[in-house]
Amino acid sequence: GDSVTQMEGPVTLSEEAFLTINCTYTATGYPSLFWYVQYPGEGLQLLLKATKADDKGSNKGFEATYRKETTSFHLEKGSVQVSDSAVYFCALSDGSGNTGKLIFGQGTTLQVKP
Amino acid sequence: EAGVAQSPRYKIIEKRQSVAFWCNPISGHATLYWYQQILGQGPKLLIQFQNNGVVDDSQLPKDRFSAERLKGVDSTLKIQPAKLEDSAVYLCASSLDLGLEQFFGPGTRLTVL
Repeated sequence: GDSVTQMEGPVTLSEEAFLTINCTYTATGYPSLFWYVQYPGEGLQLLLKATKADDKGSNKGFEATYRKETTSFHLEKGSVQVSDSAVYFCALSDGSGNTGKLIFGQGTTLQVKP
Repeated sequence: EAGVAQSPRYKIIEKRQSVAFWCNPISGHATLYWYQQILGQGPKLLIQFQNNGVVDDSQLPKDRFSAERLKGVDSTLKIQPAKLEDSAVYLCASSLDLGLEQFFGPGTRLTVL
């Protein structure tokens, strides 16, 4: 079945460092890909998405490119801030049935130190 | 616009007891999802409704879990009887329609002792 694999956390960075969180997927059909963020004490929020190969999703300085050839959707940010500390989830939607069902990776905790 | 509401936010019960969670989606959203998030894992879909019909309940443990959305608006998820492994955060999400962006509620954290 469809699945998502994220790099293990936690990831600890200093402020202004470059961030990469790796995400790879296995899917049938043509899924859409998402990054969700969960700040401490809050619910999941959509950070960015890409719906087809070579699309780049971007938001709040974060970017991710849908790479079909490597089945990847890595999250990047050029300069992280303390306020970016959160848990990040990579997810894909059901590519074959368009039900909108999301399949999530296990999450990667990011801690940014001043 | 009000977001997805869930209650209670926290619940502690003993194993073999029953528990119910409530979700009120964003007004006008036809699709409602219940996810289970075990500590250290990503959310896993339990059941998905389109209006008051079930779209997908393939991962719902039907011997102990049940869910309903009788009037196509709010929804209740029940566990009876609870097991230790049911300790998790239960997330409700809604979307305007199938395949559109999902908006998540704050979740209900269940601890089974």
